[in-house]
Amino acid sequence: GQQLNQSPQSMFIQEGEDVSMNCTSSSIFNTWLWYKQEPGEGPVLLIALYKAGELTSNGRLTAQFGITRKDSFLNISASIPSDVGIYFCAGQLAGGSYIPTFGRGTSLIVHP
Amino acid sequence: SAVISQKPSRDICQRGTSLTIQCQVDSQVTMMFWYRQQPGQSLTLIATANQGSEATYESGFVIDKFPISRPNLTFSTLTVSNMSPEDSSIYLCSAGPSASGDTQYFGPGTRLTVL
Repeated sequence: GQQLNQSPQSMFIQEGEDVSMNCTSSSIFNTWLWYKQEPGEGPVLLIALYKAGELTSNGRLTAQFGITRKDSFLNISASIPSDVGIYFCAGQLAGGSYIPTFGRGTSLIVHP
Repeated sequence: SAVISQKPSRDICQRGTSLTIQCQVDSQVTMMFWYRQQPGQSLTLIATANQGSEATYESGFVIDKFPISRPNLTFSTLTVSNMSPEDSSIYLCSAGPSASGDTQYFGPGTRLTVL
């Protein structure tokens, strides 16, 4: 099926640094979703974006729905060790199928 | 948000056997889905579990290998049949939309190892 281009594939950062990751697609999406998956757990929804240009925050996390509707980014400010995990973006097409297309994930490691 | 539980959380099975994974949602949802996640990989959709009708399978997945039940709006099962080591993976249930929103939520996953 269709795949989103998510980058970077992995990040190794120091505690306190800011993090930025993004997803791009050749298709237009109506909804962008960002999930975090910790080892041994299922993905947990962090932020959902529903409108082009929308900028939404959840604590230290900020995500934006790109104006072209073909991209989204997620920023994490002042990273802490518990931010470790794999972050997935996902796009949902119009039409109500609710089946998102997932990116390949960004693995984040935070060194104390 | 919907709270989703899965049983078992993990299992180690012998080649040629079958395992049924259960998924329970704490609220009625329109759609339930089953995904497979290989180690270090993204999520691959196996099928959409439709209440009252047969599941809709994605390319590469067939009903004989992955039979699915959806007896009501809060419960579904996925069976991994005639298992081989290649079936070792994490199997994830997800659900949505519900009265609390139209996004997908995931269960904790079932980690399957086939020897």
